[in-house]
Amino acid sequence: DQQVKQNSPSLSVQEGRISILNCDYTNSMFDYFLWYKKYPAEGPTFLISISSIKDKNEDGRFTVFLNKSAKHLSLHIVPSQPGDSAVYFCAAKGGADGLTFGKGTHLIIQP
Amino acid sequence: DTGVSQNPRHKITKRGQNVTFRCDPISEHNRLYWYRQTLGQGPEFLTYFQNEAQLEKSRLLSDRFSAERPKGSFSTLEIQRTEQGDSAMYLCASSLGSSGGGRTDTQYFGPGTRLTVL
Repeated sequence: DQQVKQNSPSLSVQEGRISILNCDYTNSMFDYFLWYKKYPAEGPTFLISISSIKDKNEDGRFTVFLNKSAKHLSLHIVPSQPGDSAVYFCAAKGGADGLTFGKGTHLIIQP
Repeated sequence: DTGVSQNPRHKITKRGQNVTFRCDPISEHNRLYWYRQTLGQGPEFLTYFQNEAQLEKSRLLSDRFSAERPKGSFSTLEIQRTEQGDSAMYLCASSLGSSGGGRTDTQYFGPGTRLTVL
């Protein structure tokens, strides 16, 4: 039973446009959410996080939105750059200390 | 480089052999985590340490797996009698373990050890 779902295995966006990556969760105990970026043969790199007491967090080109009632979060990247091409993982934490990850979305930025 | 380091980066072994991986966390971090990632999946939590104490184990951690963090610094993950299903990327992460129970504690990952069991 997948508690964190990323329903788009891949997403293609033109350079300079906005990339929107989505994530849904089912466990009401989750109260902290993170986005990681992963290049091949490397470990995940932390991008941005949000606590359940907030509905938005921004860091430069990256903004994460949290809709608790819908159990949905999204990562916005604007403007998208070629170096943003990678696999993006949504992760959640609550109760237990291990993170629960989605399966990832492969973002491809086209020139 | 002051990030999380893992050794070896790659390990190829024959079924039935034992393997051991090492993780060195970021120096001031007192929490250390192990995850496993297979193709097409996100990382899956295995276990975690607060200093030298192993506080949580996932049901994925069968009795062939053992992890230690003897002095609260580096950690080792051993897999005994490896099986082909153990082939995966093994990831280590560390976090500061801030006050408030660490609920908003960010985990930083190492590059991983890729295990191939033949």
